[in-house]
Amino acid sequence: NAGVTQTPKFQVLKTGQSMTLQCAQDMNHNSMYWYRQDPGMGLRLIYYSASEGTTDKGEVPNGYNVSRLNKREFSLRLESAAPSQTSVYFCASEIGESGNTIYFGEGSWLTVV
Amino acid sequence: KNEVEQSPQNLTAQEGEFITINCSYSVGISALHWLQQHPGGGIVSLFMLSSGKKKHGRLIATINIQEKHSSLHITASHPRDSAVYICAVPRYGQNFVFGPGTRLSVLP
Repeated sequence: NAGVTQTPKFQVLKTGQSMTLQCAQDMNHNSMYWYRQDPGMGLRLIYYSASEGTTDKGEVPNGYNVSRLNKREFSLRLESAAPSQTSVYFCASEIGESGNTIYFGEGSWLTVV
Repeated sequence: KNEVEQSPQNLTAQEGEFITINCSYSVGISALHWLQQHPGGGIVSLFMLSSGKKKHGRLIATINIQEKHSSLHITASHPRDSAVYICAVPRYGQNFVFGPGTRLSVLP
């Protein structure tokens, strides 16, 4: 049982390049999330998906797009990377009912130069 | 004022000490989560609680809904407890608001 798997773990991009972070969960969870974590700040929500086929903006969505491809997969795309997007990105999922355990991926370290 | 605040920000303890990390929140919640993040590692859920107290090994979490306050205690601390501890509360029943984290270092 892999839980939440996200790839890649490390990536260096040049300003203006694009890339997609992949996330998949095998727990049949409805809700999936993308967060970024920056030094000195708490986790901030970029986008979330409450169920297959739906996505909503979080706190810091600018510069990102997401796709909930199916119930298992939720990808995050940077169309034109900027140095301000240098961060650690976490994918997470939960069953979708309030008060349930949230599961995180291992994190993706992204550097934009 | 942040919706979820934690104290202290940083904590250094000697092995064996009793440790307390505090979390205060201003949003209405159904349950509060305590998470652990090891250096360079992923984030794991330690506890989810909506009332009273929960215990798992040397870790104890308590919550006072009326005072909007939760504490995470570690008894007989060990260097492997060194990590960042994060409290999180659900918002609007779906996504979460996270505290800034408490960085704990336990020295041998």
